[in-house]
Amino acid sequence: RKEVEQDPGPFNVPEGATVAFNCTYSNSASQSFFWYRQDCRKEPKLLMSVYSSGNEDGRFTAQLNRASQYISLLIRDSKLSDSATYLCVVPHQEGPSGTYKYIFGTGTRLKVLA
Amino acid sequence: GAGVSQSPSNKVTEKGKDVELRCDPISGHTALYWYRQSLGQGLEFLIYFQGNSAPDKSGLPSDRFSAERTGGSVSTLTIQRTQQEDSAVYLCASSLVNGVLPIGPQHFGDGTRLSIL
Repeated sequence: RKEVEQDPGPFNVPEGATVAFNCTYSNSASQSFFWYRQDCRKEPKLLMSVYSSGNEDGRFTAQLNRASQYISLLIRDSKLSDSATYLCVVPHQEGPSGTYKYIFGTGTRLKVLA
Repeated sequence: GAGVSQSPSNKVTEKGKDVELRCDPISGHTALYWYRQSLGQGLEFLIYFQGNSAPDKSGLPSDRFSAERTGGSVSTLTIQRTQQEDSAVYLCASSLVNGVLPIGPQHFGDGTRLSIL
């Protein structure tokens, strides 16, 4: 099982629709999770941090399901400007004294259509 | 500025030349990461610096790649004898540290777009 797994999409949705992406992770000890947005040929930009059960910011809601080891990102009332790739990131330490790495999913592409 | 700063923004050079990329992290962030991203691909981890600890160089693709971080702040990534497959966007990110472990999210610079002719 990959450390962090996402459906690459693309998800093509009409403006105003609600869309949700899932991200599964393999390390049950993970405590924090992040969603980033990346536009074409741009750097990833932090969208949301998730440290407990979930987080909400305007039209965006992230939820954590520890039992099933996945986090979801819900976007309500989609806008054309939401079109981007959404990256799931899970920090991971390799062993008790190992390097702490941020493991990136491959990203889910979203296209919001007019 | 308040964010991660990278320079140059763009670099075009001939195959075989050496290049040096610079990253200035957010003030107070002692964890610093280098990644590269080829067109249409995901982020590829290159190297990680944390305070005075030995860097994790496990992601460097060949011995032509090296990086240093002097004074615990600015970092430079050097690619010697560049090859066409080195063409990519090189991204730097930094994060806060609690004790010895990074905490919170990474914050990325705008990246350096490297093109090898």
